[in-house]
Amino acid sequence: QSALTQPPSVSGAPGQRVTISCTGSKSNIGAGYDVYWYQQFPGRAPKLLISAGNNRPSGVPDRFSASKSGASASLAITGLQGEDEAHYYCQSFDSDLSDPVVFGGGTKLTVL
Amino acid sequence: EVHLEESGGGAVRPGGSLRLSCAASGFIFDDYAMGWVRQAPGKGLEWIARINWSGSDTRYADSVKGRFTLSRDNAKNSVDLQMTSLRVEDTAFYYCARQITNAANFFDSWGQGALVTVSS
Repeated sequence: QSALTQPPSVSGAPGQRVTISCTGSKSNIGAGYDVYWYQQFPGRAPKLLISAGNNRPSGVPDRFSASKSGASASLAITGLQGEDEAHYYCQSFDSDLSDPVVFGGGTKLTVL
Repeated sequence: EVHLEESGGGAVRPGGSLRLSCAASGFIFDDYAMGWVRQAPGKGLEWIARINWSGSDTRYADSVKGRFTLSRDNAKNSVDLQMTSLRVEDTAFYYCARQITNAANFFDSWGQGALVTVSS
């Protein structure tokens, strides 16, 4: 049971906009801790996609954006492309857990 | 360019030991904490350990506490994860990652991963 809850899968057609939710609690996202997003292709290592303040590392297109409200966060992908098909993970910090670095269970994005 | 490369993965019997190493390059190594994140086959990500820039402070997930030990050699730009009393459930890809801990807590660069298989 992850401290952060993500839908197991989402899908969208090319060109569409999709969002991936990340639901936490008052001890992590709700406490104001930043949320980070990672992208992982099959057989590859995760890669930082978005960091705090909706900052994207060099090379990440601005089609990817993140937001946060209360104890939840979202990753939005606009102008969906086939190359976006991957797993996406959210990550934050939890003040109540002995293992304070927490990940969501991951969401598989399928481009139809 | 930041580069992290794990080595030392392999197959081991339950109760056995294994040592993973992570060689870092492309950045000032002793400016950063380093972390390890693992991923069981087909599963999600799990943070397991972190070491601060000097090696004076280490933190472990409950799942590995007392069995895994993290150390670093800043002269060699490397960090080692010593794993003992391995269990079947420790089977996973183990990723070394640069962990940003200043007013934040995330991983901005990752190695390619090392597979550890614990099986009888």
